Amino acid sequence: AQTVTQSQPEMSVQEAETVTLSCTYDTSESDYYLFWYKQPPSRQMILVIRQEAYKQQNATENRFSVNFQKAAKSFSLKISDSQLGDAAMYFCAYRSGGFGNEKLTFGTGTRLTIIP
Amino acid sequence: SQTIHQWPATLVQPVGSPLSLECTVEGTSNPNLYWYRQAAGRGLQLLFYSVGIGQISSEVPQNLSASRPQDRQFILSSKKLLLSDSGFYLCAWSVHTPLEKLFFGSGTQLSVL
Repeated sequence: AQTVTQSQPEMSVQEAETVTLSCTYDTSESDYYLFWYKQPPSRQMILVIRQEAYKQQNATENRFSVNFQKAAKSFSLKISDSQLGDAAMYFCAYRSGGFGNEKLTFGTGTRLTIIP
Repeated sequence: SQTIHQWPATLVQPVGSPLSLECTVEGTSNPNLYWYRQAAGRGLQLLFYSVGIGQISSEVPQNLSASRPQDRQFILSSKKLLLSDSGFYLCAWSVHTPLEKLFFGSGTQLSVL
């Protein structure tokens, strides 16, 4: 079974600085997808960014980018120019690429605090 | 557009009482449906998912069950709640494409006393 590990329960960063959240995963599959979700205090889950494992190029969405290291099974999230609205729980997630295996497995999350 | 409805938002139940949480999706057909639980300060634990009517996959053997009586309806149930069933329950749906994101409901905060 696939597992997702987020080793940093809490992180903090000064406003306008850059922070990197770590995520590693364990799988024997070659076709899969990785996601970062954000859960602000409202508890609404929001997709931040996603990456296909077959793509070598790292995904980027505005201030958010990933460092995808397939061989190391690492999928870290970098947030540039941190803003107060970035304060939230961040979850890394894994989904198999095969049809019929539809589940999304989440890590335990990293709580990010933004220091004004 | 697609929407997901989950209710109730908050629920306080005594130990040993039954549970029924309902989730419905509008604006799409044949979605994948999911129930997740989030314990206080913890990650999301997948409880059940369904790829079609009557098809339920259970991830964690426990006190809960799920049913999908209609294409866009997903129900989480328990005959007798335990204290350990307390948590934040999230329903979600997705299309049958691995890259596509999950759309989450607003959640139910369940407190078992």
